[in-house]
Amino acid sequence: GEDVEQSLFLSVREGDSSVINCTYTDSSSTYLYWYKQEPGAGLQLLTYIFSNMDMKQDQRLTVLLNKKDKHLSLRIADTQTGDSAIYFCAEIGAGSYQLTFGKGTKLSVIP
Amino acid sequence: DTGVSQDPRHKITKRGQNVTFRCDPISEHNRLYWYRQTLGQGPEFLTYFQNEAQLEKSRLLSDRFSAERPKGSFSTLEIQRTEQGDSAMYLCASSLDSPIQPQHFGDGTRLSIL
Repeated sequence: GEDVEQSLFLSVREGDSSVINCTYTDSSSTYLYWYKQEPGAGLQLLTYIFSNMDMKQDQRLTVLLNKKDKHLSLRIADTQTGDSAIYFCAEIGAGSYQLTFGKGTKLSVIP
Repeated sequence: DTGVSQDPRHKITKRGQNVTFRCDPISEHNRLYWYRQTLGQGPEFLTYFQNEAQLEKSRLLSDRFSAERPKGSFSTLEIQRTEQGDSAMYLCASSLDSPIQPQHFGDGTRLSIL
């Protein structure tokens, strides 16, 4: 089946930028998503990008998509302690309604 | 916008018992999805509904699992004869009727099997 891969851990200092990376295998991916999950909670939609775009910016968040390499990244500017959470990359293929998720990247922000 | 609501938040039960979870989607959303998330993993798709019709089921959804959405509003997920491996977070999501509309998730029901 299709696969989404993420590194499992990232640690940054408060005020620095965080970059979370994701690779996927589904060449028919139409939309790619970033969700945030805090302990014991559900998933909060952060942002998403259509596969014919290469960049999207939303306040402190910047998403970059390299469709040729099937690589997606999420940059968080001026990272705060409240950004500490697990970040999931997800994709949805053409004609599908199923989200396929990576295992998540745990972001730890050091004060 | 009240968001997706799930009940209960936590359920502890003995192996072999039946459990039922409820999901109330965002009111104007006609698509509703169920996912399962085990520890250290991302959510995995179980099934989804368009209005009251169940349109797709994952191979993860064994015959002990049944989902309904009788009036196209709230949905229930029932697990019969629970097993240890059913321990997980069960997440519900909803969206408008288009693949380009993002899925919005509830806070989930955490199921623990003793």
